[in-house]
Amino acid sequence: SQQGEEDPQALSIQEGENATMNCSYKTSINNLQWYRQNSGRGLVHLILIRSNEREKHSGRLRVTLDTSKKSSSLLITASRAADTASYFCATDERGSQGNLIFGKGTKLSVKP
Amino acid sequence: DAGITQSPRHKVTETGTPVTLRCHQTENHRYMYWYRQDPGHGLRLIHYSYGVKDTDKGEVSDGYSVSRSKTEDFLLTLESATSSQTSVYFCAISGQSSGNTIYFGEGSWLTVV
Repeated sequence: SQQGEEDPQALSIQEGENATMNCSYKTSINNLQWYRQNSGRGLVHLILIRSNEREKHSGRLRVTLDTSKKSSSLLITASRAADTASYFCATDERGSQGNLIFGKGTKLSVKP
Repeated sequence: DAGITQSPRHKVTETGTPVTLRCHQTENHRYMYWYRQDPGHGLRLIHYSYGVKDTDKGEVSDGYSVSRSKTEDFLLTLESATSSQTSVYFCAISGQSSGNTIYFGEGSWLTVV
C-alpha cells in the first residue's frame, strides 16, 4: 500500500525560482526521507528527517516535517536546470524493520 | 556511488522463460532490497533480505523469488516471466553504518515480450 503521496505530481518552474514539493503519509513513522531520481538513473538520497525533528537543511534543500498533519515538504531554493528530476518521499513506518515505502514522486522541470 | 552493481542492466526475454537479476554490493551492508518501478506506481518493494539466507516478502512478491547465499549478493528470480513483470528493477542496500539511508543501484531494465 502507498504510504507517502507527493504533491504536485509535476512542477515546472524557471531557473532561480524556489520549488516546493509536499508529501503526505498515513501511519506513524520513525523517519521520512527524500530521494531524487534523474531520468534513467537510480535514486539518490537527499535528506533524512527523524520523527522528533521539525526542520532540516542541507545546502539549498530545506525539509520540514509535521507529524500532527502527517506531512512533509521539500523546498529547493534558487533552483537550477540541473535540479530537473523526479523527487520521492519515503517513510520508515514504525515496526516495519526499516523498510521504506515510497510515494509516486513529483516530476520537477526547471527551465533555463 | 554506493558500491552496488546490478546485472544485467538491460534484458529482453520471452514470456515463460526464467530470468535472474543479480545485485552485488561491496559495502558489507546487512540489508538488501529489490524494488520495481512502474509508471503510476512509484517504487514497490518486492523482497528484502536482512542477512545471509534471511529473506522476507515485500508488497509485490508474487511471481518472484530471491536468494542470498553471501552477504554481497542478492539474486531476484522470475521463475516464469510474464508481460506484467516488464519493469525497471532496482536493488538497494542499507546497514548500520548508513543509518536508515538506503542506497540504490542503477537499475535493470527488463522487457518481457
